[in-house]
Amino acid sequence: QSALTQPASVSGSAGQSITISCTGSSSDIGSSNYVSWYQQHPGKAPKLLIFNVYTRPSGVSSRFSGSKSGRTASLTISELQAEDEADYYCNSYTTSSTFVFGSGTKVTVL
Amino acid sequence: QVQLVQSEAEMKKPGASVRVSCQASGYTFTSYYLHWVRQAPGQGLEWMGRIDPRSGDTNYAQKFQGRVSMTRATSITAAYLDLRRLTSDDTALYYCVRAQLGGRTSPFELWGQGTLLTVSS
Repeated sequence: QSALTQPASVSGSAGQSITISCTGSSSDIGSSNYVSWYQQHPGKAPKLLIFNVYTRPSGVSSRFSGSKSGRTASLTISELQAEDEADYYCNSYTTSSTFVFGSGTKVTVL
Repeated sequence: QVQLVQSEAEMKKPGASVRVSCQASGYTFTSYYLHWVRQAPGQGLEWMGRIDPRSGDTNYAQKFQGRVSMTRATSITAAYLDLRRLTSDDTALYYCVRAQLGGRTSPFELWGQGTLLTVSS
């Protein structure tokens, strides 16, 4: 199972919106509604941002939203803030009853 | 307090084996899957596999099949990751992670502090 494909980096100015894509295959994103997103600040453990494609856990800002179309999932961060500067990873459940992470995206706030 | 506390850092030689432990507390141990995720220095997250603490059933990433074992001891609410035939590519931070809910597809919510494994001759 290869890693899901994410852009290595995405940047945006404070207050803007950015979108991170996550492309998989028919064995993972294409056949799964179990796509999640994680935020990881340097030296910290990842934090769950989105699960089941769209759902935010309690306590996660509404500025984070998820979507999916075909084999590609997306994470949108609106009203970008300095604290959003971090690494972001997508994850999908697969048809083999396993999980696979994306390659990761570094978000920079200009 | 709901938490996962992992064992201390390990240093191993190539070809050796390692066991990483994960002590769970503050919740019903058998109600949530436990996963193992690793992160090599400066690299991304990699899912290794999971265990159902209730039954002991496991699912492993194909990459680790034959070289990894995940077990648990319900009486002491602990989980274990055994990795054999270590190479330098196994140098990474290993996380024990609890699922958010009880289902097989539940995402990863509660992370341990990580155990650094260094493989070097």
